[in-house]
Amino acid sequence: KQEVTQIPAALSVPEGENLVLNCSFTDSAIYNLQWFRQDPGKGLTSLLLIQSSQREQTSGRLNASLDKSSGRSTLYIAASQPGDSATYLCAVRVGSSNTGKLIFGQGTTLQVKP
Amino acid sequence: GAVVSQHPSWVICKSGTSVKIECRSLDFQATTMFWYRQFPKQSLMLMATSNEGSKATYEQGVEKDKFLINHASLTLSTLTVTSAHPEDSSFYICSARDRGRGGYNSPLHFGNGTRLTVT
Repeated sequence: KQEVTQIPAALSVPEGENLVLNCSFTDSAIYNLQWFRQDPGKGLTSLLLIQSSQREQTSGRLNASLDKSSGRSTLYIAASQPGDSATYLCAVRVGSSNTGKLIFGQGTTLQVKP
Repeated sequence: GAVVSQHPSWVICKSGTSVKIECRSLDFQATTMFWYRQFPKQSLMLMATSNEGSKATYEQGVEKDKFLINHASLTLSTLTVTSAHPEDSSFYICSARDRGRGGYNSPLHFGNGTRLTVT
């Protein structure tokens, strides 16, 4: 059974710091991995999607890496801003058909202090 | 980008009543939509996979007679919580994949969720 774990559960940093969020999964047989952002009481915003054959994806100040063999992914946020404060969720997609489902981690709640 | 609209954003109902939540893909067709549930400070748990024109596939432990799913068109799926009870109070989120943009490789897009409170 696939399990996804995110460390740390919560993180507080001063504005401007670079930070890394970690995600690990128990079964390396994934189709892809997706990082999401969730603001309080809101839905999810997709940040980055990494296919199983890829090692990293970048979007602006965000960089996500994937090491499928070791079951790990990291989300790197450069020069953090107060607006980055949110919960960050990683999810792995199991199965390759259109009905393949996402298994989510518990999330890391980030607070960036001005 | 692909947009998924969910309605209502919040609802309060009395115990024993039924509540319907709508999930629409606004600018793409979604043959499959997914319904998730999120308790406070917990992650998302998949409840069921909604398939257009056929029966939904429910995850283990989810009562299909309590959580009715209908996916009658390529842009609309509905989740009805029947005979709601306070323990059903939760945040319900739908999602869909835009197959037209990258096919099965495309990312999953989520609605803004529905906060259900059963009194």
